Amino acid sequence: NAGVTQTPKFQVLKTGQSMTLQCAQDMNHEYMSWYRQDPGMGLRLIHYSVGAGITDQGEVPNGYNVSRSTTEDFPLRLLSAAPSQTSVYFCASSYSSDTSSYEQYFGPGTRLTVT
Amino acid sequence: QKEVEQDPGPLSVPEGAIVSLNCTYSNSAFQYFMWYRQYSRKGPELLMYTYSSGNKEDGRFTAQVDKSSKYISLFIRDSQPSDSATYLCAMILFGFGNEKLTFGTGTRLTIIP
Repeated sequence: NAGVTQTPKFQVLKTGQSMTLQCAQDMNHEYMSWYRQDPGMGLRLIHYSVGAGITDQGEVPNGYNVSRSTTEDFPLRLLSAAPSQTSVYFCASSYSSDTSSYEQYFGPGTRLTVT
Repeated sequence: QKEVEQDPGPLSVPEGAIVSLNCTYSNSAFQYFMWYRQYSRKGPELLMYTYSSGNKEDGRFTAQVDKSSKYISLFIRDSQPSDSATYLCAMILFGFGNEKLTFGTGTRLTIIP
């Protein structure tokens, strides 16, 4: 299993450009999510999905779009990049069968700089 | 006030010491309590999780939840240099499958050989 993969690892954008951060998992997890991590702020939820075709907003969704056409893939789109979106982005997937069983994995992250 | 508060440290302790990491929270509806370890420039790794109050042990790690005080702790016994990392606490409001994790800001821990 590759686990959770993210591409690219690093990206520099100019203000106003758009791009898509890719996330894929091969564990057949239903739940996937995107977080951003900023110094002193911890990880904050951007968007999440509870299954193919179902997405919802997290704590900081503005400026980002997501879609989930397959169980494996959950791309994050930046519509018009702004310097405030400079951050490290993490994708995660998880699975639970009941309250006593839970597994969750994070990807290695994408470091994004917007100039 | 943040929903989850965590002392950012940094915290430095000698190898072999017992480490205590803590978080407080304000929302009494949180049900699940998680601890993550994050090495520099890597993604977080889920270490342990507990449901409701009580203790849970896994090797050198013990997670403790006190819902009456809204306080959770992670203890590391016989600390090793490989334990040097940032430790994040997180909490889930709803059950698994509809989770929205709320994270603390993380505590940077260094174990000195």
